Amino acid sequence: RKEVEQDPGPFNVPEGATVAFNCTYSNSASQSFFWYRQDCRKEPKLLMSVYSSGNEDGRFTAQLNRASQYISLLIRDSKLSDSATYLCAVNKASGNTPLVFGKGTRLSVIA
Amino acid sequence: GAVVSQHPSRVICKSGTSVKIECRSLDFQATTMFWYRQFPKQSLMLMATSNEGSKATYEQGVEKDKFLINHASLTLSTLTVTSAHPEDSSFYICSAYRSVASSYNEQFFGPGTRLTVL
Repeated sequence: RKEVEQDPGPFNVPEGATVAFNCTYSNSASQSFFWYRQDCRKEPKLLMSVYSSGNEDGRFTAQLNRASQYISLLIRDSKLSDSATYLCAVNKASGNTPLVFGKGTRLSVIA
Repeated sequence: GAVVSQHPSRVICKSGTSVKIECRSLDFQATTMFWYRQFPKQSLMLMATSNEGSKATYEQGVEKDKFLINHASLTLSTLTVTSAHPEDSSFYICSAYRSVASSYNEQFFGPGTRLTVL
């Protein structure tokens, strides 16, 4: 089983739609969780950290379920500019440790 | 603005050539940097952890003699792909942690280097 697994893509949605991405991780000792956005041929950019209580930033909501080892990202009112690949990432240990990334899910928002 | 830079952004070279990629932390010191590699439509995979003043730590399956890492200063790590072959063609990305709050460090990524070996 891969350390971090994501929904296979691509997701093609109309503008204004709500879309949800899911991610599971295999290491129950994982400490920190993140969603990154990666545009084509660019480096990943941090979108949100994911906290146990869930957190929201504008149209974006992230949730963590430690018991199920599951992370989600919800995007409401999709914009054309949301089109990108969304990567789930996990820190296996505390401190400044490297991230383990999922394969990413491609989102295309269509006018 | 960018907090981690990489150079060059793109390299096209012949098979057998060695290629050096530089990763710099801007305006902050990074005792540890990470090198990742991403093949098309694949995830970022950690190659190695670069430690200032000591040997890099390589992930399983990554040849340390082929991917030479030097972290000679607190702001610069270099990755040299020796005797590159077409299968080494990939997107190489470095990263480093930077303090953004008193108790929070964020990992910033360089813009990446796209290597194409002919």
